[in-house]
Amino acid sequence: EDKVVQSPLSLVVHEGDTVTLNCSYEVTNFRSLLWYKQEKKAPTFLFMLTSSGIEKKSGRLSSILDKKELSSILNITATQTGDSAIYLCAVGTSGTYKYIFGTGTRLKVLA
Amino acid sequence: NAGVTQTPKFQVLKTGQSMTLQCAQDMNHEYMSWYRQDPGMGLRLIHYSVGAGITDQGEVPNGYNVSRSTTEDFPLRLLSAAPSQTSVYFCASGKGHSNQPQHFGDGTRLSIL
Repeated sequence: EDKVVQSPLSLVVHEGDTVTLNCSYEVTNFRSLLWYKQEKKAPTFLFMLTSSGIEKKSGRLSSILDKKELSSILNITATQTGDSAIYLCAVGTSGTYKYIFGTGTRLKVLA
Repeated sequence: NAGVTQTPKFQVLKTGQSMTLQCAQDMNHEYMSWYRQDPGMGLRLIHYSVGAGITDQGEVPNGYNVSRSTTEDFPLRLLSAAPSQTSVYFCASGKGHSNQPQHFGDGTRLSIL
């Protein structure tokens, strides 16, 4: 059975801290790994990582895919209160074209 | 530039009632899917479609029906609502066969009494 596991489940930090969120997966026919940020409503896309693109960076956020360890990390440096959200990891599979989501990490950044 | 539109935003039903959650996208995406989100459970796939006339089951399909008669629309039907179906429902669309991310609607918050 395909599975995506995120850790930690929740995290409280202070502004300016650096956080690392983890995502590990066990799926057949891995195609891609995606990170989303969810605040009040719909998840919004952050990064997609594939075999041909294992590292992405945008401002204070960066992500790396480790295909050997079947995992990915999402780093956020110099956190701000606006980073408070649920961060979701999803893995896309080829063949069936399904996306399997993890349970998410709830991040709270205190001023 | 609407993206993915879900209606209604909120709905309260009584046990045993049926209803349809609507989802429409204007990006000509082949792939569309329905998820439910419950506290501590992340997003769980209910049904998905890789094109008009093609649907398949996800992780939690029981109690739900879907159809895909057009590229734009992918309605989700609750046949006989149960309290266990109280959840937030998200519709998403994507280009499917290519490595492109999904785009999500704003969700429908559904309560079954």
